[in-house]
Amino acid sequence: GQNIDQPTEMTATEGAIVQINCTYQTSGFNGLFWYQQHAGEAPTFLSYNVLDGLEEKGRFSSFLSRSKGYSYLLLKELQMKDSASYLCAVRDSNYQLIWGAGTKLIIKP
Amino acid sequence: IAGITQAPTSQILAAGRRMTLRCTQDMRHNAMYWYRQDLGLGLRLIHYSNTAGTTGKGEVPDGYSVSRANTDDFPLTLASAVPSQTSVYFCASGGTDTDTQYFGPGTRLTVL
Repeated sequence: GQNIDQPTEMTATEGAIVQINCTYQTSGFNGLFWYQQHAGEAPTFLSYNVLDGLEEKGRFSSFLSRSKGYSYLLLKELQMKDSASYLCAVRDSNYQLIWGAGTKLIIKP
Repeated sequence: IAGITQAPTSQILAAGRRMTLRCTQDMRHNAMYWYRQDLGLGLRLIHYSNTAGTTGKGEVPDGYSVSRANTDDFPLTLASAVPSQTSVYFCASGGTDTDTQYFGPGTRLTVL
């Protein structure tokens, strides 16, 4: 079967750095996405990785290792507005997205 | 409008009733999707359409039907609602090849 694993919940301090991990087992791989979802809102796109390595976009970076079936999202200089759920999704061989259950990130002052 | 709209925003429905959730996009994306999101679970694909005139079944299609008469609209119909269909429903577009999927604001549906 296909599986995306990520921690259910994480807590971090404002101004700090946090790393949210995602491991996956899917039938084929055509890219990995990270989305942010604030409570009661729709998911919004953060990053896309298809090749191994680090993609940096401002305070957010995403890393991919295809051989390990592993990705992480790194958030720097945390702000209170970063409190949200972070969703990892993998595009499989049918070009459909398989979604993890999401990681709820709680930022404390 | 710019992006994806969904209607209604929320709905309470009696079991056994028929309900259509509406979704419209103005980005001219070929692909559109319907997901449901339940607490503790990832987004689950109900149905999708890669282009106008075609539809396909996702992971959880039972009890739902879709149509894609044109590029912009992708309605989701529950023929006879059951309480297990209580969920938040998201419509999305884009996502073919390397394209990103963009989500509508969601419809919160409660079936009693």
